Order: sequence, then structure tokens, then C-alpha cells
Amino acid sequence: AQSVAQPEDQVNVAEGNPLTVKCTYSVSGNPYLFWYVQYPNRGLQFLLKYITGDNLVKGSYGFEAEFNKSQTSFHLKKPSALVSDSALYFCAVRVVWGANNLFFGTGTRLTVIP
Amino acid sequence: NAGVTQTPKFQVLKTGQSMTLQCAQDMNHNSMYWYRQDPGMGLRLIYYSASEGTTDKGEVPNGYNVSRLNKREFSLRLESAAPSQTSVYFCASHRDFGYTFGSGTRLTVV
Repeated sequence: AQSVAQPEDQVNVAEGNPLTVKCTYSVSGNPYLFWYVQYPNRGLQFLLKYITGDNLVKGSYGFEAEFNKSQTSFHLKKPSALVSDSALYFCAVRVVWGANNLFFGTGTRLTVIP
Repeated sequence: NAGVTQTPKFQVLKTGQSMTLQCAQDMNHNSMYWYRQDPGMGLRLIYYSASEGTTDKGEVPNGYNVSRLNKREFSLRLESAAPSQTSVYFCASHRDFGYTFGSGTRLTVV
């Protein structure tokens, strides 16, 4: 079985400050991890993914994530937050059998305060 | 533009009514999925289709049926809508490690 935990429902950060959105996972076998962002009344937009290789993954809009196998974490980070980064962020892990679907965390709402 | 197209974008149903949500992709992907998104619960898999002609239940299939009409199209049907099916529905398709999502259908059952 697999699980994804996003321990914070809400994260507030001041504009210009670094931001972190946390994600931990549990999966059998190799983890394939994803981050998506959802802006109000919009669909899901892909940010980045970890499949294999370098533990630091760079993605869209200046976001990056660090894969930490020992801590089973895949936290999303950005060095300097923008007001336009305010959105709902989802961490997901690919199911390794059956449907090969993405299994999502419950989401973290990020608010960047001007 | 290549992607996943969902129709309609919004729908209001009365309890007991039926409707079909349409989804089409033009990326030649084999796998397609239907998810529902509810506040505080993330996205949960309703049904999936690993290839044309096959469908299988996901995490929350009760009250829904699906049809994989051809490789491009994967529809979701609510035979008798219930207020508990008020949600935002997303269709997605997949190949290798690339997943593409539609823009969603916001369904309200009153």
C-alpha cells in the first residue's frame, strides 16, 4: 500500500521569504513522487517529479524539491515566495501496481502575504 | 493544443437525475483516470482504464459507472445523483511518468 502525508493544511509566508511545503510518503519499492499546483477554479498543473537520479529536483516557476530517502520526505521549496504562488499544492506518489495512478495527499494551501 | 478536455465545466443536478461527464485526450495515452476532489481529502480515484476496452474500480467507485469508448474517450456516468456526489471531477491520462489532467467539472447535486 502507499500513503502520502501533507502535515500542514495551511502555510503562510511573507513575500520574498523562502517557502517550504512538506510531504512525507510511504510506498513499497521505488518511490516516484510528484508535486502539482492548483490555482482557484483551475485544474492541476504539474510542477516537478522525482523518478531517479539527483535528489534535488528543479521544476516550474522556480520551485524545487528534495528527495530524502532516509526521512521518506519530498518537501517542496522556493527561495523567494511571490504573491502569485498562493495556491493549493498537492504531493502525490505513483502507485506501483494495478492502475499506476497517482495517489494524492490532502493538499496544503499556501498563502503568500504581501 | 494537446491535452485532456472535459465537458461540461459546470453542472447542477437534482437528486436522482443522471448525467455523463465526458473526457477526451489527444496524446495517444493508453491509461485514463477519473478522480473526485473534495475539500480536505485531496483527489481520490473513482475508476480507471489501463487500455482501450478495460476498466477497473478505484478507491471510491460506488454510484458511478464508466465507459472507455475508444482510446481517446473515457466517460463517467452518474445513474442516480446524490448530494454526496457534489464534488469537482477530474479526468487524467497517463503515459510513462507523464500525467495530464483536465480542467475539471464542478458538479452540484441539490
